[in-house]
Amino acid sequence: QVQLVDSGGGVVQPGRSLRLSCAASGFTFSSYAMHWVRQAPGKGLEWVTLISYDGNNKHYADSVKGRFTISRDDSKNTLYLQMNSLRAEDTAVYYCARDAATGQHLQMYFDLWGRGTLVTVSS
Amino acid sequence: DIQMTQSPSTLSASVGDRVTITCRASQSINKWLAWYQQKPGKAPKLLIYKTSSLESGVPSRFSGSESGTEFTLTISSLQPDDFATYYCQQFNAFGQGTKVEI
Repeated sequence: QVQLVDSGGGVVQPGRSLRLSCAASGFTFSSYAMHWVRQAPGKGLEWVTLISYDGNNKHYADSVKGRFTISRDDSKNTLYLQMNSLRAEDTAVYYCARDAATGQHLQMYFDLWGRGTLVTVSS
Repeated sequence: DIQMTQSPSTLSASVGDRVTITCRASQSINKWLAWYQQKPGKAPKLLIYKTSSLESGVPSRFSGSESGTEFTLTISSLQPDDFATYYCQQFNAFGQGTKVEI
């Protein structure tokens, strides 16, 4: 079954860290660029970061640059998001999403999404 | 950065209505615009990509078009399952969303 299962969310205090995971199955994970997209409660979608299919290129939204790090482990078919120095405004449901193209041809639209994992930053 | 302005923010409609949602880009872009449907508590679902290409499995009542920097999602005959929030997206920018309600 082709799917993404995101996990790792929870309640964390401001300034602390959290790592999210996204387990892929049913497709050749190593062929796809992957993204994280978040949605604050009651708000719209915000693209957060992407990693190329080979892990060599990473891009971040200005709002998380220098605090968040995306990575992948193709041997485990898993995508990660390391979130440091968390702020209240990082509170959101975080979705991992698959880019629609394989290889180096980035499409920047997302044809497969995880169910999302909720991160709450609060003291 | 490109900004996407989506309108309306809320749309009241009835089953069988023809519905149009508009997304305007702050600058000229190519045809790399996508539309998503999201229901409460669920992940977004890709409907349309590259402005007018229908994602596999999506009903043909959904269609997309463009005129210059203005992009449109049309639902030709609204069905009960279509009441949801819709987002446009271009590269790393999403529109603010349009909630289609009864």
